[in-house]
Amino acid sequence: EDQVTQSPEALRLQEGESSSLNCSYTVSGLRGLFWYRQDPGKGPEFLFTLYSAGEEKEKERLKATLTKKESFLHITAPKPEDSATYLCAVQASGNNRLAFGKGNQVVVIP
Amino acid sequence: DGGITQSPKYLFRKEGQNVTLSCEQNLNHDAMYWYRQDPGQGLRLIYYSQIVNDFQKGDIAEGYSVSREKKESFPLTVTSAQKNPTAFYLCASSIGRNNYGYTFGSGTRLTVV
Repeated sequence: EDQVTQSPEALRLQEGESSSLNCSYTVSGLRGLFWYRQDPGKGPEFLFTLYSAGEEKEKERLKATLTKKESFLHITAPKPEDSATYLCAVQASGNNRLAFGKGNQVVVIP
Repeated sequence: DGGITQSPKYLFRKEGQNVTLSCEQNLNHDAMYWYRQDPGQGLRLIYYSQIVNDFQKGDIAEGYSVSREKKESFPLTVTSAQKNPTAFYLCASSIGRNNYGYTFGSGTRLTVV
């Protein structure tokens, strides 16, 4: 069974204080790892897809990296508008379903 | 603009009542999914459909039913057999078997009154 564990569950950051979110996974053949952002009361919004170990992708203050066992979402110099829950999901080869972690809830304090 | 529309945004259900949540997409995606989200539990798959007139149970299908009569539409019915239906429900779609991620709707919050 595919499993995704995200840590920490919750994180409070001062504006400008960089940090990283962790997504550890076990999957029988990784087809893709996905990061989403979710604001309260809204649907998740797609951020990144990573396909192979060593791959990195960036978008504004966010950078996602991937190894064979985990992914990191680095938040550089965060702003209050980066406050959200970040969801990690994996897709196994030959499977159309995504398995989601419980999320990292991030609050950035001005 | 292409996207997924869920309606209503808020829904209230009385005990013993069936309710239907709407999900419509104009992305020409083959696959559609229904997830339930509860605080601290993440997203759990209820049902999914990879093609019209076909659907499969997910991890928590009991007390729910779906139909897929049109490519664009994948309504979810929460039946009276679902004993704890209060949750945030999310619909998603993807291109198909070579899945490159989901596009999500904005969600429906269902509350039992």
